Amino acid sequence: EPEVTQTPSHQVTQMGQEVILRCVPISNHLYFYWYRQILGQKVEFLVSFYNNEISEKSEIFDDQFSVERPDGSNFTLKIRSTKLEDSAMYFCASSENGGEVAGYTFGSGTRLTVV
Amino acid sequence: SQKLEQNSEALNIQEGKTATLTCNYTNYSPAYLQWYRQDPGRGPVFLLLIRENEKEKRKERLKVTFDTTLKQSLFHITASQPADSATYLCALNSGGYQKVTFGIGTKLQVIP
Repeated sequence: EPEVTQTPSHQVTQMGQEVILRCVPISNHLYFYWYRQILGQKVEFLVSFYNNEISEKSEIFDDQFSVERPDGSNFTLKIRSTKLEDSAMYFCASSENGGEVAGYTFGSGTRLTVV
Repeated sequence: SQKLEQNSEALNIQEGKTATLTCNYTNYSPAYLQWYRQDPGRGPVFLLLIRENEKEKRKERLKVTFDTTLKQSLFHITASQPADSATYLCALNSGGYQKVTFGIGTKLQVIP
């Protein structure tokens, strides 16, 4: 079964450093997303991406965050200057048609720890 | 903004029984509502989607209902098994078309 692949599975970084989280969505999917989940809390929407541009973003997704689809397969989330409160599990997801038929397919996540 | 309420406490049931999980929402009825399963340290896994004009949806041992009058969805697992133990999340599109809001989830424990 096709899956969404995320790398790395764990990332430890110093506060103030830049990190890039990588994702390979399912190949025939057109919509891409980043979510995060702070330990013990709910899954929170960050951003959606369609047709090579951001279609929606949450209030969490401020100027420190950016997304990119540098080629036909990768989808990345960059955090420019990490803060302690950015420590969370980051999930990439993709969908064929915006989630309204078969939901979203999530990756296994990247656990980001900012020290 | 749309809010989702799920019983965040754990639900313990005996193997073989039917588990029923509740998701309540405020404000407007979404076009559709989704249910996911999440295991510890893993990403959510899509289970079922139900549209606002559907009362009930089934998939194997799973059943979802959607009551727009009560602003509530119920998720049932019949003949529950220990392998069904996980956290179950409801989610709906909130605000914009692409923004999906998740509930905190209900942790289900099926006791052998």
